[in-house]
Amino acid sequence: GDSVTQMEGPVTLSEEAFLTINCTYTATGYPSLFWYVQYPGEGLQLLLKATKADDKGSNKGFEATYRKETTSFHLEKGSVQVSDSAVYFCALSEGSNSGYALNFGKGTSLLVTP
Amino acid sequence: GAVVSQHPSWVICKSGTSVKIECRSLDFQATTMFWYRQFPKQSLMLMATSNEGSKATYEQGVEKDKFLINHASLTLSTLTVTSAHPEDSSFYICSASGGAVNEQFFGPGTRLTVL
Repeated sequence: GDSVTQMEGPVTLSEEAFLTINCTYTATGYPSLFWYVQYPGEGLQLLLKATKADDKGSNKGFEATYRKETTSFHLEKGSVQVSDSAVYFCALSEGSNSGYALNFGKGTSLLVTP
Repeated sequence: GAVVSQHPSWVICKSGTSVKIECRSLDFQATTMFWYRQFPKQSLMLMATSNEGSKATYEQGVEKDKFLINHASLTLSTLTVTSAHPEDSSFYICSASGGAVNEQFFGPGTRLTVL
């Protein structure tokens, strides 16, 4: 079945450092790919998404490109802030609309220090 | 964005009792709601999908008689954990989508501890 693998955390970075969180997937079809963020004490929030190969999702300085050839959707940010400290989840769904369930990776905890 | 609430945010109960968790979409009509379960340092695992007015579809390995899901209206779905046992202790999260909202919005989760 479909699955998502993301790098283990926790990841600790200094403010303004470059961030990469790796995510790879296995899927039988052509899934949509997502990054969700969970701030302490809050529910998951959609950070960005891409629905087809070579699409780039971006939001709040974060970017991820849907790479079909490497089955990857790595999350990057050029300069992290303390406020980016959160848990990041990579996910996929079989369809492009919200009526499809999400298949999540285990999450990567990010701590950004001043 | 749209708001999804869950109630209660945490609950402690004795083994053998039943616990009901509510998931509400506050400002949109949720035709579809999903229930997930998250163990510490683990991923969210889909338990079931519910569409308003119809029976929930459960994932393989999830006991539908133990985890009763009701989606009686476009703004409310409930998950009832019946005859709870310590192994049911977990973090339960719902999400909702529907109508013009082409995104799943997540509730903040409910921490269940069964003693």
